[in-house]
Amino acid sequence: GQNIDQPTEMTATEGAIVQINCTYQTSGFNGLFWYQQHAGEAPTFLSYNVLDGLEEKGRFSSFLSRSKGYSYLLLKELQMKDSASYLCAVRGNSGAGSYQLTFGKGTKLSVIP
Amino acid sequence: GAGVSQSPSNKVTEKGKDVELRCDPISGHTALYWYRQSLGQGLEFLIYFQGNSAPDKSGLPSDRFSAERTGGSVSTLTIQRTQQEDSAVYLCASSLMLAGGLDTQYFGPGTRLTVL
Repeated sequence: GQNIDQPTEMTATEGAIVQINCTYQTSGFNGLFWYQQHAGEAPTFLSYNVLDGLEEKGRFSSFLSRSKGYSYLLLKELQMKDSASYLCAVRGNSGAGSYQLTFGKGTKLSVIP
Repeated sequence: GAGVSQSPSNKVTEKGKDVELRCDPISGHTALYWYRQSLGQGLEFLIYFQGNSAPDKSGLPSDRFSAERTGGSVSTLTIQRTQQEDSAVYLCASSLMLAGGLDTQYFGPGTRLTVL
């Protein structure tokens, strides 16, 4: 099975940098996803990591360490519109688990002026 | 279509009634997934379809829940004899079902189900 942990809530200031951590314990691993979900809206895809290291995409970067079962999402130059929940999800590597995603409970980020 | 669509967007029903939730995936997407998001909880996997078949039904909470997909496109999730604990947002997603690497799931806006 999969177990995914991430902080429940975080607050950061507009213009600052924030790091949202995610740790996981899995029976198999075939990639880690980050999604953004604004209140009342659908989750939208942000990033995907399957190899160790940092993936940068504009203001957002995602890091993965498979040996440590650890990932983080880094948001730079925070904007008010970044206030949302950030969901960490892991995909397994066998059978049906190689397609379904197991999600953490999400981290609610509040950006304040 | 341009994205995944779901209907209705909101559904209020009385305990004991049956409900049907509908999902229209992105055209050409082979895989379709149903998740449930309860207040304060993460997305909970329910079932996924590969074409019209459902290889994994392990996430369905009880035998009151069933789903089908026809024509490799539209899917319906049916909940019979609804209970208050069924109240949640039901999210549908679809993907191309790439064998390896990045296979992004694209989500619909969800159906908010409230059982009174």
